[in-house]
Amino acid sequence: ETGVTQTPRHLVMGMTNKKSLKCEQHLGHNAMYWYKQSAKKPLELMFVYSLEERVENNSVPSRFSPECPNSSHLFLHLHTLQPEDSALYLCASSQDGDYEQYFGPGTRLTVT
Amino acid sequence: GENVEQHPSTLSVQEGDSAVIKCTYSDSASNYFPWYKQELGKRPQLIIDIRSNVGEKKDQRIAVTLNKTAKHFSLHITETQPEDSAVYFCAIQRAASKIIFGSGTRLSIRP
Repeated sequence: ETGVTQTPRHLVMGMTNKKSLKCEQHLGHNAMYWYKQSAKKPLELMFVYSLEERVENNSVPSRFSPECPNSSHLFLHLHTLQPEDSALYLCASSQDGDYEQYFGPGTRLTVT
Repeated sequence: GENVEQHPSTLSVQEGDSAVIKCTYSDSASNYFPWYKQELGKRPQLIIDIRSNVGEKKDQRIAVTLNKTAKHFSLHITETQPEDSAVYFCAIQRAASKIIFGSGTRLSIRP
């Protein structure tokens, strides 16, 4: 499969659960991103990894924990989430020096 | 802080007419201005972009204009078609990790 993939595509979790979102890019890029998309804030940048190091953390609550084990994979670990965290979580990648964002299909998260 | 304002939030135009969406920003260090299109249920995709050393760029029916002095840039879609119906996002960027998106414009094309 080409491009940027995300799993799962849909996730329902309770506030006490722990789950992880996975993103994989097959484009040879060296930067990866997590975005939150909701009705209130359509495209909100959460984390940025460049060459597997976190370079940006936009004041995201600690209940969201990113992990980038290599340049092709990005995870978002979730624990003790709140109902307001329900949203579409989009992963993206780019190549250093080229700013274009290549988005994945997203994970629709519902916190009950 | 740095932000970008996008207007209008919704836009409805007759098929064949033109659509214009405008974004204003405050970060004078931004040097890259992309526009993304997100169709219903799909991922955002880049449709056109412009860098700070260029005032206008055109690609078939879409064009982007940039006024760095006034800190605003606009997306122009001519001869609109039903497949242009989507949400459009502008963004400003000054580094790979420094990107801010506008709030989006929902464009509807009336047949």
